[in-house]
Amino acid sequence: AQSVTQLGSHVSVSEGALVLLRCNYSSSVPPYLFWYVQYPNQGLQLLLKYTSAATLVKGINGFEAEFKKSETSFHLTKPSAHMSDAAEYFCAVSDEKLVFGKGTKLTVNP
Amino acid sequence: EAGVAQSPRYKIIEKRQSVAFWCNPISGHATLYWYQQILGQGPKLLIQFQNNGVVDDSQLPKDRFSAERLKGVDSTLKIQPAKLEDSAVYLCASSPAGGISTDTQYFGPGTRLTVL
Repeated sequence: AQSVTQLGSHVSVSEGALVLLRCNYSSSVPPYLFWYVQYPNQGLQLLLKYTSAATLVKGINGFEAEFKKSETSFHLTKPSAHMSDAAEYFCAVSDEKLVFGKGTKLTVNP
Repeated sequence: EAGVAQSPRYKIIEKRQSVAFWCNPISGHATLYWYQQILGQGPKLLIQFQNNGVVDDSQLPKDRFSAERLKGVDSTLKIQPAKLEDSAVYLCASSPAGGISTDTQYFGPGTRLTVL
């Protein structure tokens, strides 16, 4: 069965600093990978997805992620954190259905 | 375009009571999903509909949970009787195509259920 592991349930960065949220996947077939963001009391919103085209995927709000098959990773990055980025981020892998990781809560300090 | 609508947003019930959640997907979306999100975890798929047929309900506790999608549009999820461990956020999502693996799912705001 496919699965994802998100390293670090909480990440704290200063405003303007690099954001790096880690995701490793387990899949027996080439995966489709997603990052979703969830703001407090809201549903999930798609940030970006990898569907076997370019390995570097650009998403909304300045986020991007790089698919690395050799490392089975799909880490999410943003060069400069903004206060509005504070939220919970979920990595997910899709085969016949979406399987989510446990999430990483991002805190941005002023 | 209007997003996925869910109601109620919050519900508090006592164990052994019943509860129902409603979802209205984005207009024209063929596929509808119900997820359970327990505090501190990612969403877990409960059931997937394509139009008004069930595609996957392998993780739905069928002894107490039921769901239907009337006329391939709105959907209701019911729990009867509720248990303490059912306390969670119930998310509805929809996608435009036939539930293919690369399809983007659009999520509603969820219903937060507390079972006392």
